[in-house]
Amino acid sequence: QQQVKQSPQSLIVQKGGISIINCAYENTAFDYFPWYQQFPGKGPALLIAIRPDVSEKKEGRFTISFNKSAKQFSLHIMDSQPGDSATYFCAASGRDDKIIFGKGTRLHILP
Amino acid sequence: NAGVTQTPKFQVLKTGQSMTLQCAQDMNHNSMYWYRQDPGMGLRLIYYSASEGTTDKGEVPNGYNVSRLNKREFSLRLESAAPSQTSVYFCASRPIGGQYGYTFGSGTRLTVV
Repeated sequence: QQQVKQSPQSLIVQKGGISIINCAYENTAFDYFPWYQQFPGKGPALLIAIRPDVSEKKEGRFTISFNKSAKQFSLHIMDSQPGDSATYFCAASGRDDKIIFGKGTRLHILP
Repeated sequence: NAGVTQTPKFQVLKTGQSMTLQCAQDMNHNSMYWYRQDPGMGLRLIYYSASEGTTDKGEVPNGYNVSRLNKREFSLRLESAAPSQTSVYFCASRPIGGQYGYTFGSGTRLTVV
């Protein structure tokens, strides 16, 4: 049972553009929503995270938008750069200490 | 700071062979996890350990066993490797409490022929 659905599977964006990745979850008990960035040959690294009591969190060029009523959240990368080319995973966790991941989005920024 | 260390980085096994993947963390984290990553499948939880002395099955535990040797170390064992276990394996750790992210190791790329 997939509890976190992520789209699109792959995304190509021009340098300087906005990259948007969307996720939806089912379990209303989730209370922590992180995003991970993974470069080839490396382990995923925590990029940014949000709790459901806020609707938006911004860190530099990266912003999470959160819609609790729709059970959806998204990652926006402003002024996308070639160095942002990576695989991005959304995720969610609740009180049982496990993090459930989406299937990932492969992002490619054209120079 | 080493963070989460996995060994080996690469391994080739023949079908039926056994091996143990090692993981150690130096961040005094309580929880440790083993995931496998396959193309198009994302990261799937194999086993996890919420604290020293406890282990629980995740989404895809069949064919694997784990040992939480102490607070620092969490190993994953394949008793009789199968080609379906060809994957990249990641170990991760997390502090106690729900609202913290994982720290991942750099992975073990395993091929079973």
